[in-house]
Amino acid sequence: QVQLVESGGGVVQPGKSLRLSCVGSGFTFSNHGMHWVRQAPGKGLEWVATISYDEKNKYYADSVRGRFSISRDNSKKIVYLQMNSLRPEDTAVFFCAKDSSGSGNWYFDLWGRGTLVTVSP
Amino acid sequence: SYVLTQPPSVSVAPGQTARIPCGGNNIGSKDVHWFQQRPGQAPVLVVYDDSVRPSGIPERFSGSNSGNTATLTITRVEDGDEADYYCQVWHGSSDHWEVFGGGTKLTVL
Repeated sequence: QVQLVESGGGVVQPGKSLRLSCVGSGFTFSNHGMHWVRQAPGKGLEWVATISYDEKNKYYADSVRGRFSISRDNSKKIVYLQMNSLRPEDTAVFFCAKDSSGSGNWYFDLWGRGTLVTVSP
Repeated sequence: SYVLTQPPSVSVAPGQTARIPCGGNNIGSKDVHWFQQRPGQAPVLVVYDDSVRPSGIPERFSGSNSGNTATLTITRVEDGDEADYYCQVWHGSSDHWEVFGGGTKLTVL
């Protein structure tokens, strides 16, 4: 079955860290760029980060650069999002998404169901 | 930065045609992709590269792109089409690698 499954969300205090994981199955994970996209409660989609198939290229939104880090383990078919120095405004459902290309610069053809991150004292 | 502008809402009666615009500076030079998101669910790709439908997406969904506006068109609208719709482009700058529009809530009257 072709799918992405995120995990690692939860409630965390401001300033703390959290690591999200996303496992892919049913496709050749190592051939595709991967993305993280978030959606704050009642808001729209916001691109967060992208990693190329070979991990050589990584891109971040201004709102998370320097605090979040994207990585992947192709042997385990997992993409990670390490989130440090979390702020209340980071509260959102975080989705991982598969890019149709290896570079991560085409269309998102598969999404996970998301994992909720809540940053609150 | 690159901004994509969508109307917050569009309303249409069942059986009619819904058109959802997505405005951006010279967006006609970019490949535009569209996603449908029903409440509590993950987004689903409904059109890519301006006008291509993924397998499994009904022919009622189509797209166009020219000048400063891309448009998602849904013909013969059904109750099940009620959802949020987002346009998206690859911008390619290191801090705006991908850009989403603000989303449009399609209401079926």
